Amino acid sequence: GAGVSQSPSNKVTEKGKDVELRCDPISGHTALYWYRQSLGQGLEFLIYFQGNSAPDKSGLPSDRFSAERTGGSVSTLTIQRTQQEDSAVYLCATPNEQFFGPGTRLTVL
Amino acid sequence: AQSVAQPEDQVNVAEGNPLTVKCTYSVSGNPYLFWYVQYPNRGLQFLLKYITGDNLVKGSYGFEAEFNKSQTSFHLKKPSALVSDSALYFCAVRDDPGGYNKLIFGAGTRLAVHP
Repeated sequence: GAGVSQSPSNKVTEKGKDVELRCDPISGHTALYWYRQSLGQGLEFLIYFQGNSAPDKSGLPSDRFSAERTGGSVSTLTIQRTQQEDSAVYLCATPNEQFFGPGTRLTVL
Repeated sequence: AQSVAQPEDQVNVAEGNPLTVKCTYSVSGNPYLFWYVQYPNRGLQFLLKYITGDNLVKGSYGFEAEFNKSQTSFHLKKPSALVSDSALYFCAVRDDPGGYNKLIFGAGTRLAVHP
């Protein structure tokens, strides 16, 4: 998607390990969203950052999930003690038309 | 609460025929509606949106969508389908025009266009 990069593109981890997923909105948008797409399903909102305001964390599925956005740019989504049900494609997006990044495919074995 | 329904898991159409992918929505205020397409092993791509104005919205790749307030629908259409249109299509709604509320997505409809 235009103006959004994500890394890694693929991540395979063992159950119980922590993972960090990165989103870089190259275009410098002040707002940034994380979504999750589980296999064969639609997109599920996770968290939203808007400038210096408190993030909207209402979509995070459990307290194992957290995210931060440093300097108003790069964002990191952290999943602690991963479970197999965390396996999904994690997407970040910018506002308005919400250009989506290519996603990180997470597989928890 | 906002919600989006895509009643068809899959739509099959022959190449050259018109296609329709259905979407209905529910919001408490004014709806702001979007269609996205996801090709295999590719990211989500924006197709078109309805914010205000004409009920018929034209988007990328020859797609269009018609906003129908009375039926709370925003069906995606194309007059002549191509095999290359085969992909997963998502309808989404937001209740804020400024672009800063989260999108609520439908479950997706898989479009299969056969030669």
